[in-house]
Amino acid sequence: EADIYQTPRYLVIGTGKKITLECSQTMGHDKMYWYQQDPGMELHLIHYSYGVNSTEKGDLSSESTVSRIRTEHFPLTLESARPSHTSQYLCASSGGNQRTDTQYFGPGTRLTVL
Amino acid sequence: GQQVMQIPQYQHVQEGEDFTTYCNSSTTLSNIQWYKQRPGGHPVFLIQLVKSGEVKKQKRLTFQFGEAKKNSSLHITATQTTDVGTYFCAGNFGNEKLTFGTGTRLTIIP
Repeated sequence: EADIYQTPRYLVIGTGKKITLECSQTMGHDKMYWYQQDPGMELHLIHYSYGVNSTEKGDLSSESTVSRIRTEHFPLTLESARPSHTSQYLCASSGGNQRTDTQYFGPGTRLTVL
Repeated sequence: GQQVMQIPQYQHVQEGEDFTTYCNSSTTLSNIQWYKQRPGGHPVFLIQLVKSGEVKKQKRLTFQFGEAKKNSSLHITATQTTDVGTYFCAGNFGNEKLTFGTGTRLTIIP
């Protein structure tokens, strides 16, 4: 089983609050990703990083921001949460020398914005 | 944009029956991966296919990559209750990102 952690696992918060979702991995992987997934639906890539100080927006537009100051840490921040942000957020990482590597997923954060 | 379509969206089978899910892309893929997500869980990697026409087996699971590298399938023989979950294909179009399919949710009737 991969060593990738997400906190909190569940978060219920009011509209307008600032939140940070934490993601950490202990595998030394260079690449990290954030996906948004509504229940039972497909995964949408919202941010990714190929290394420290490298961040890119994904295929799905998101009002969130990310940072990558340390290899093992890839937090996601929402400056002002809205009900439309209610979803599950999955963090993943991959490493190795292959062009496309296996992605290891964290357990996810289920966010509800009231 | 580059999309990976997956069918069917849902599949209900009697335990012991076979199950197949299909992925299609309008453009050639560099490779394709398959993931399984149990209810309430997170996606877990199953396999990666790279070569045209490649076939790989994992016990009761058979994975195929089309000759044109635009489609793929996952076939499960004699389903068991432990097979319940959503199966996602994820295609790579030549960069380092994956584009996930819409997923097929498999439920088993005991």
